[in-house]
Amino acid sequence: QTVVTQEPSFSVSPGGTVTLTCGLSSGSVSTSYYPSWYQQTPGQAPRTLIYSTNTRSSGVPDRFSGSILGNKAALTITGAQADDESDYYCVLYMGSSWVFGGGTKLTVL
Amino acid sequence: EVQLVESGGGLVKPGGSLRLSCAASGFTFSSYSMNWVRQAPGKGLEWVSSISSSSSYIYYADSVKGRFTISRDNAKNSLYLQMNSLRAEDTAVYYCARRSIAAPGVSLWGRGTLVTVSS
Repeated sequence: QTVVTQEPSFSVSPGGTVTLTCGLSSGSVSTSYYPSWYQQTPGQAPRTLIYSTNTRSSGVPDRFSGSILGNKAALTITGAQADDESDYYCVLYMGSSWVFGGGTKLTVL
Repeated sequence: EVQLVESGGGLVKPGGSLRLSCAASGFTFSSYSMNWVRQAPGKGLEWVSSISSSSSYIYYADSVKGRFTISRDNAKNSLYLQMNSLRAEDTAVYYCARRSIAAPGVSLWGRGTLVTVSS
């Protein structure tokens, strides 16, 4: 069974830069998995940030960027703001299914 | 306005059935593959099912295969999820999600509808 791994939690200082990662329990993440990233605050629907590794969704500020770092997909937030405090989920496309990571709870303090 | 609006959630007993609907507006529904994604209380997101634009390709997560059926009516701009043999672990907010045309990924989310399976 495919398991997508994410850091359970992360913290960043206001104005700082943070990189969240998305890996596979077995193997490496590549662009062929079309990694995408979603932001969710409590009680709200998810918001799409990045799809196809590094394409920002409409309206997403350019301080959010996606990439492949080593054997993982990565979401980098530069100039973190207080309202970036959210849960972040990655998802990998497996051809006939999607597999979400467990999410990373980002704290801005 | 471009949006997805889910309905049909509620309280159902274990073993029961429920049909969720998702009404699409503001875009050409028939051009997009669609998905259902769920989130159990306090838990992460879980992909449930996908259907291609013409219903030619349908896929399910192992956790719902054989119990849930996804369908769509392009003439009515609507997506459905028929859920049978419901279990307590199916309790979740169910989101309707439009796949991006450019690449795999969600380009539009609904606000979700809560399904509670409890006796």
